[in-house]
Amino acid sequence: AQKITQTQPGMFVQEKEAVTLDCTYDTSDPSYGLFWYKQPSSGEMIFLIYQGSYDQQNATEGRYSLNFQKARKSANLVISASQLGDSAMYFCAKASNNAGNMLTFGGGTRLMVKP
Amino acid sequence: KAGVTQTPRYLIKTRGQQVTLSCSPISGHRSVSWYQQTPGQGLQFLFEYFSETQRNKGNFPGRFSGRQFSNSRSEMNVSTLELGDSALYLCASSWGDSGYEQYFGPGTRLTVT
Repeated sequence: AQKITQTQPGMFVQEKEAVTLDCTYDTSDPSYGLFWYKQPSSGEMIFLIYQGSYDQQNATEGRYSLNFQKARKSANLVISASQLGDSAMYFCAKASNNAGNMLTFGGGTRLMVKP
Repeated sequence: KAGVTQTPRYLIKTRGQQVTLSCSPISGHRSVSWYQQTPGQGLQFLFEYFSETQRNKGNFPGRFSGRQFSNSRSEMNVSTLELGDSALYLCASSWGDSGYEQYFGPGTRLTVT
């Protein structure tokens, strides 16, 4: 079975500092995609960044970047210059490219940004 | 472009009743997936529809069902509600059939009493 592990249930970061949220996954799929979502207290899941398993370069989207290490099966999210509005739950998810759009999620990390 | 919409946003039902939740995907998106989120079990995949066909189904009892219409709008139905069905139900839409970004709606918070 697919398993996504986020080992940090909660984290604090000082405003304007960078923070790394960890994600490791278990897969035997030859091709897959990795996603990060942000969930504020309102409940909506906000798409942040995507990394394909065959992408040669790490994905970046504004202040978000993904540190993808395929051999280690890790896909850590790096948020640079943290802002108070970054306080939220963050979920790592994986989709197999031969299984439609079904996402398997990790347990999430609650990030709290301190002023 | 309008985002994914879900109705209703909040719902309170009694055990034994049934409920229907609705999801309208982003215009042009053909895939709609449903997820259940609870504090104990986290985010769990319910099912996915693509072009009106169910492609994947998660490990949920038959009380949970869904369908997709020709305009890609989707509904999920839960019959004979149980207290454990209280959850945030999220739907996500995607343009393609696999490996594309998925965009979520705001969710429907269901409370079963």
